[in-house]
Amino acid sequence: NAGVMQNPRHLVRRRGQEARLRCSPMKGHSHVYWYRQLPEEGLKFMVYLQKENIIDESGMPKERFSAEFPKEGPSILRIQQVVRGDSAAYFCASSDGDEQYFGPGTRLTVT
Amino acid sequence: AQKITQTQPGMFVQEKEAVTLDCTYDTSDQSYGLFWYKQPSSGEMIFLIYQGSYDEQNATEGRYSLNFQKARKSANLVISASQLGDSAMYFCAMREVFDSSYKLIFGSGTRLLVRP
Repeated sequence: NAGVMQNPRHLVRRRGQEARLRCSPMKGHSHVYWYRQLPEEGLKFMVYLQKENIIDESGMPKERFSAEFPKEGPSILRIQQVVRGDSAAYFCASSDGDEQYFGPGTRLTVT
Repeated sequence: AQKITQTQPGMFVQEKEAVTLDCTYDTSDQSYGLFWYKQPSSGEMIFLIYQGSYDEQNATEGRYSLNFQKARKSANLVISASQLGDSAMYFCAMREVFDSSYKLIFGSGTRLLVRP
C-alpha cells in the first residue's frame, strides 16, 4: 500500500525558471493539500484540491503560483519565474476526508 | 484567526526519561482537531497522535500521549521513555474546518535532543 509520493525530491532552478512539483496521493484518496516550509519554520498551508476542483487557495501567493489536480494523474504545484524566496520544502498531504498523510516533500533550491 | 503556539524552540532530555512538549492553541470553534507530527533530520513529516475537541479521554499512542486541557487551550505532547531516535523537530497542528476545507495550522516547532 504505497504512501503519498512526491517528485522530484530535490529540485534546483535558476531565478526566472519554472518549477513543477508533483504529488500522487495514496490510493483511494481524492483530497490533496499543499504546504510550504521555509527554513527553520513550521509548515504553512497553501492550497486544498479535490479532483478537478480547487476548494481552498487562501494560502497561495497571488502571483506566479498555481495548482491543479486533474481527473487522471498527479496533483501539480507550479511556480513560475521562481525567485530566491521560493526556496523551501514543499509538502503535499493526501486525505480521505479525515487524517492527512504527508509525502516526503520536495526541496526546491533557487540559485 | 486560529493560532498555534509552541514556546520551546529547543529541549533536551536524558535517554529513558519522559519529556513534555508544550502547545497552546487559540480558536473560537467548538469542533476542532489537534495533531502532533515528528520531523526527523531526513525531513519527512510523521504523524504521531490526534485529539478531537470532543474526546473526553486523552489520546495515547504507544509512548506518546497528549495532555489535553480544553479550558486552558493546551495540548501538550508527552513522550515517555525517550529514545535516541526521538531526536527531531516536533510540530503541533490544529485542523481548521472552514467551508469544506480541513487545512492544518502548524506551530513553529520544538527541536528535541535526546542525550545518551
